[in-house]
Amino acid sequence: GAGVSQSPRYKVAKRGQDVALRCDPISGHVSLFWYQQALGQGPEFLTYFQNEAQLDKSGLPSDRFFAERPEGSVSTLKIQRTQQEDSAVYLCASSPRLVSLRETQYFGPGTRLLVL
Amino acid sequence: GESVGLHLPTLSVQEGDNSIINCAYSNSASDYFIWYKQESGKGPQFIIDIRSNMDKRQGQRVTVLLNKTVKHLSLQIAATQPGDSAVYFCAEIPMIYNQGGKLIFGQGTELSVKP
Repeated sequence: GAGVSQSPRYKVAKRGQDVALRCDPISGHVSLFWYQQALGQGPEFLTYFQNEAQLDKSGLPSDRFFAERPEGSVSTLKIQRTQQEDSAVYLCASSPRLVSLRETQYFGPGTRLLVL
Repeated sequence: GESVGLHLPTLSVQEGDNSIINCAYSNSASDYFIWYKQESGKGPQFIIDIRSNMDKRQGQRVTVLLNKTVKHLSLQIAATQPGDSAVYFCAEIPMIYNQGGKLIFGQGTELSVKP
């Protein structure tokens, strides 16, 4: 079946602009994760959902970052008043079952955000 | 952050040789480990995983070894091909309730395969 998809693939924003990044997980996957990847580094955890419940948002860098998954499928990561340090690749991943089962996470292609 | 690596280590191998990529993980409570391959402009792609009750696991052309005593993980790629060129990350999931299933990525290694 189809993998994780993300849109847009590229986003250029002016500093101070709000952006919204979309993630479509693999159909039926219960758990959904967001990661941020800076150039030359490994992905770093932002937040995760189990169905529509956001169970951990400890990795969100500031209160300008907000994520939701209202119907337990598609998720949106919103960044308000973007800053240059927000420039990174934002990766979404999903896994089939409960987060507590610690399973493989399947990643989407990412959204590359550049804040000017 | 918990992942480090401003300068990725690089491993350069000849096509057809075997490759070994090493990773030191951080949390002794981790019980699940995954190797990912990331090509330029793409998201991490699952290669192979291993749980802490195992020392070795084999896939197609790949083998993962786990040494819990020294918190070390390795990925062996047999008969390396140009298509294997990418950045390889190890990732761990700690068995700590309040961290749930979040992945903690290690420092990546850039594998370059010379034809």
